[in-house]
Amino acid sequence: GQQLNQSPQSMFIQEGEDVSMNCTSSSIFNTWLWYKQEPGEGPVLLIALYKAGELTSNGRLTAQFGITRKDSFLNISASIPSDVGIYFCAGQLRGAQKLVFGQGTRLTINP
Amino acid sequence: SAVISQKPSRDICQRGTSLTIQCQVDSQVTMMFWYRQQPGQSLTLIATANQGSEATYESGFVIDKFPISRPNLTFSTLTVSNMSPEDSSIYLCSVDRKVGSNYGYTFGSGTRLTVV
Repeated sequence: GQQLNQSPQSMFIQEGEDVSMNCTSSSIFNTWLWYKQEPGEGPVLLIALYKAGELTSNGRLTAQFGITRKDSFLNISASIPSDVGIYFCAGQLRGAQKLVFGQGTRLTINP
Repeated sequence: SAVISQKPSRDICQRGTSLTIQCQVDSQVTMMFWYRQQPGQSLTLIATANQGSEATYESGFVIDKFPISRPNLTFSTLTVSNMSPEDSSIYLCSVDRKVGSNYGYTFGSGTRLTVV
């Protein structure tokens, strides 16, 4: 089946640093979504991307839909302690309703 | 944005028993999705539940093990049958709804199941 390769699997950074993570696939996606999950909670949608090349920001978060439609990245600027969590990319194939999820990036921040 | 309520939030169950998880949405939706998240892993789609028809199961998941009901446009249940420790996971329901200015999939807070 379709797979999303998300990297890195984990990140250990200092507060204030910028963060970058990405997802790639061999398949073409119509939609890319980025989620954050905290312990005991379901994933929360951060950013949704619908067009190739689209660059969208949500506060300190910026995500882009790759031109080839096979990749996406998420950047977090000036990280703060509440950014800790697991970040998932998810893609929606053309004509499909379901989402395919990446393996997640676990972000840990040292104050 | 859609509000999704899932019950129970967590449970500890004996092997061989069954657990039914409920998902209630505050507005009508066409499709509801059930996911499994094994410990430390990503989310895997179990099935898509449509009102008025049988659920569509993904490869590796069968109706006998994970029967789903969808009696109306705001409610669905997932049953985990004849449980074994390997079924210990977080089970999440999801709908495709607007969240702020984004259209995307909204998730419930999940049901954390431990089978002993």
